[in-house]
Amino acid sequence: DVKVTQSSRYLVKRTGEKVFLECVQDMDHENMFWYRQDPGLGLRLIYFSYDVKMKEKGDIPEGYSVSREKKERFSLILESASTNQTSMYLCASSLEETGRGIGTQYFGPGTRLLVL
Amino acid sequence: GESVGLHLPTLSVQEGDNSIINCAYSNSASDYFIWYKQESGKGPQFIIDIRSNMDKRQGQRVTVLLNKTVKHLSLQIAATQPGDSAVYFCAENILYNQGGKLIFGQGTELSVKP
Repeated sequence: DVKVTQSSRYLVKRTGEKVFLECVQDMDHENMFWYRQDPGLGLRLIYFSYDVKMKEKGDIPEGYSVSREKKERFSLILESASTNQTSMYLCASSLEETGRGIGTQYFGPGTRLLVL
Repeated sequence: GESVGLHLPTLSVQEGDNSIINCAYSNSASDYFIWYKQESGKGPQFIIDIRSNMDKRQGQRVTVLLNKTVKHLSLQIAATQPGDSAVYFCAENILYNQGGKLIFGQGTELSVKP
């Protein structure tokens, strides 16, 4: 079974703090993704990565950065947390298929972040 | 434009009945679709997928139907159980830069009455 783990289930931070969210997958997947999920807005893609040291902006990258130094680990960084970044953050990974990036994404349990 | 949407935001069914959750997509070039189930406080869980060269795929108690003519996707759950209560998302894979990314629908909340 694919296992995607996230470092924290719940996190409380103060405005202006630097926040690190860690994600690890154990299936040697090439692709990793970070989403945020908000009521009424669904899942929105923040950043993704097709390989180590590679990153691509998703639909809402502003205020975030990412790091992928190892294949199994993908970190999301909030450089200076703001209250509008209070959300559920979901990490996912997928296997590259047919060279077209088509692969089922498997999700972690999520990190619920509250920024005060 | 890119959009994947669900016709019904909520669905309430009696235990034992069949459930049908619908989804419309707009990108005719998409060739891969996935249904996810998300229980409260958890991440989305893969249920079933289908490629565009198929119009039906069956799993355990679930069936996905794809109608490319009208760009419509549905998830059928047979003999719905209380444990099926969750939010269900459809997702559409589109090609993006070097690979693909998923576009998610807003979700339908399924409530199963005992």
